[in-house]
Amino acid sequence: GQQLNQSPQSMFIQEGEDVSMNCTSSSIFNTWLWYKQDPGEGPVLLIALYKAGELTSNGRLTAQFGITRKDSFLNISASIPSDVGIYFCAGQNQGGKLIFGQGTELSVKP
Amino acid sequence: DAMVIQNPRYQVTQFGKPVTLSCSQTLNHNVMYWYQQKSSQAPKLLFHYYDKDFNNEADTPDNFQSRRPNTSFCFLDIRSPGLGDAAMYLCATARGNEKLFFGSGTQLSVL
Repeated sequence: GQQLNQSPQSMFIQEGEDVSMNCTSSSIFNTWLWYKQDPGEGPVLLIALYKAGELTSNGRLTAQFGITRKDSFLNISASIPSDVGIYFCAGQNQGGKLIFGQGTELSVKP
Repeated sequence: DAMVIQNPRYQVTQFGKPVTLSCSQTLNHNVMYWYQQKSSQAPKLLFHYYDKDFNNEADTPDNFQSRRPNTSFCFLDIRSPGLGDAAMYLCATARGNEKLFFGSGTQLSVL
């Protein structure tokens, strides 16, 4: 079945630093989505990507849909303490189902 | 305003005692999903409704059932909860094959 490899698993950074995480797959996806999940809460959609090569920003967040449609990255610039949480990539296939990456746990030291 | 609402936020049940989790949505989305998420893991799809059509994942245990009486509501029934069923249960909705919006989840504890 389709699987996503998300890296890194965890990151410990200083406030103000930039962050980068990525997902790769052996399969092609129609859509890539990036979610953030705070403890005890559901995932919140950050960015949705629909076309190969698409680069989309949402405030300090930038994500790209890889040209091969098998990968995506998420960058966070100038991190702040409220960026702490778990970030999940998710590939969406034609049927609409999401395949999640394993998550990247981000810790930001003030 | 919350658009995908899950109740309760926290649910405690006893081993073997049936429990029902609920989800409602104000988005008028035709697709509703139930995911199970265990600690430090990614959400795992249990099943989903595409309109009235129920789609079960192959590895979802029979212990898990779902009902969707109308577009706005969807229920997850766990017939005989075991200790291994303690998890966060997430409801999500979508319009067709578009992006999913998640509720805040119900954290289930099994004693």
